[in-house]
Amino acid sequence: AAGVIQSPRHLIKEKRETATLKCYPIPRHDTVYWYQQGPGQDPQFLISFYEKMQSDKGSIPDRFSAQQFSDYHSELNMSSLELGDSALYFCASSLRLAGGPDTQYFGPGTRLTVL
Amino acid sequence: AQSVTQLDSQVPVFEEAPVELRCNYSSSVSVYLFWYVQYPNQGLQLLLKYLSGSTLVKGINGFEAEFNKSQTSFHLRKPSVHISDTAEYFCAVLDTGRRALTFGSGTRLQVQP
Repeated sequence: AAGVIQSPRHLIKEKRETATLKCYPIPRHDTVYWYQQGPGQDPQFLISFYEKMQSDKGSIPDRFSAQQFSDYHSELNMSSLELGDSALYFCASSLRLAGGPDTQYFGPGTRLTVL
Repeated sequence: AQSVTQLDSQVPVFEEAPVELRCNYSSSVSVYLFWYVQYPNQGLQLLLKYLSGSTLVKGINGFEAEFNKSQTSFHLRKPSVHISDTAEYFCAVLDTGRRALTFGSGTRLQVQP
């Protein structure tokens, strides 16, 4: 079965540079979530999109922005990178059920290292 | 706000022994609970979920969990572990307001030969 695809898998940037992470959800899924997992930490919710509109916001820094495109893929844009942004960034997708809980399926993650 | 607590940061166990990874939740509304597994340098894989219905939930790889409302727990169990089960296990609760998952701090299962 098709899974969530993330690219790139690894990314190395310098401080103050920008980075763009991409996420391709499972086919027919309409919702995308972004999570950040710092070293030795649990994943923290950043932001989500449903039907190409921002749905919910978590602890996403103002330096980060994201969007969901017409083909449902999503991009997380990160500017003015800081050392503390080094983390594993997960994308998850789901099919939103009206009035009910949806199940999120995660991609393999993008490991961002800021030097 | 909903939250989960994983009481054990590490659980060492011998191969073929049973294991229980503990998870307690706090929620004042309908609760939806999940267990994910993260193998080294990999993403999060869904093991099982409780949305409603039977309180005993069976998942992949021989794992199961029981939803206990009176004890606000959702412990993960496996009757006989393998070396390949060595991984980090995360319990998570769905925040129905934000539709985002809130994770516990994780439990590292170390299966020894």
